[in-house]
Amino acid sequence: EPEVTQTPSHQVTQMGQEVILRCVPISNHLYFYWYRQILGQKVEFLVSFYNNEISEKSEIFDDQFSVERPDGSNFTLKIRSTKLEDSAMYFCASGDSNTEAFFGQGTRLTVV
Amino acid sequence: QKEVEQNSGPLSVPEGAIASLNCTYSDRVSQSFFWYRQYSGKSPELIMSIYSNGDKEDGRFTAQLNKASQYVSLLIRDSQPSDSATYLCAVRGPGSNYKLTFGKGTLLTVNP
Repeated sequence: EPEVTQTPSHQVTQMGQEVILRCVPISNHLYFYWYRQILGQKVEFLVSFYNNEISEKSEIFDDQFSVERPDGSNFTLKIRSTKLEDSAMYFCASGDSNTEAFFGQGTRLTVV
Repeated sequence: QKEVEQNSGPLSVPEGAIASLNCTYSDRVSQSFFWYRQYSGKSPELIMSIYSNGDKEDGRFTAQLNKASQYVSLLIRDSQPSDSATYLCAVRGPGSNYKLTFGKGTLLTVNP
């Protein structure tokens, strides 16, 4: 069964460092998303990506964040200068207009 | 601000009982409704979707939607200890790039 895969599963980084979280969406999906979940809080939308561009972003998705689809399969989230409050689970999801969103297993980001 | 509200619980039921989980949403134009199950430290896993008023059954799960009352529920029959998890209600509106707005989730504990 097709699935969304994310790497790494856990990333520890020092405050101020750049991190790149990677995702391989389900191959025939057209919409890609990043969500995050701070420990004990709800899943929050960060950004959606369609047709090789950002289609919507939340207030959380400020200039420190960027997304890219560098090739036909990968979808990345970059955080330029990490802050302590960026520590969270980051989930990639994919879907299209006729399907539900399917989530990857997540990357736990710890900023120290 | 679109809101999805859930009772955070915990909801505790004995094994074999029916668990009833509730969700209300604020955006009247919301069109699609989903229940995800999330085990601690894991990603959301889709268990039910519902798009029109009424009931939708899938195995031990029944989703109910009442758009007039802006209310969605999930019934789990014959609850099992393995059903113990946080249940997330998610809502998707029209023209929103299919992004999901999540509630905080209800923690369900099924006692053997």
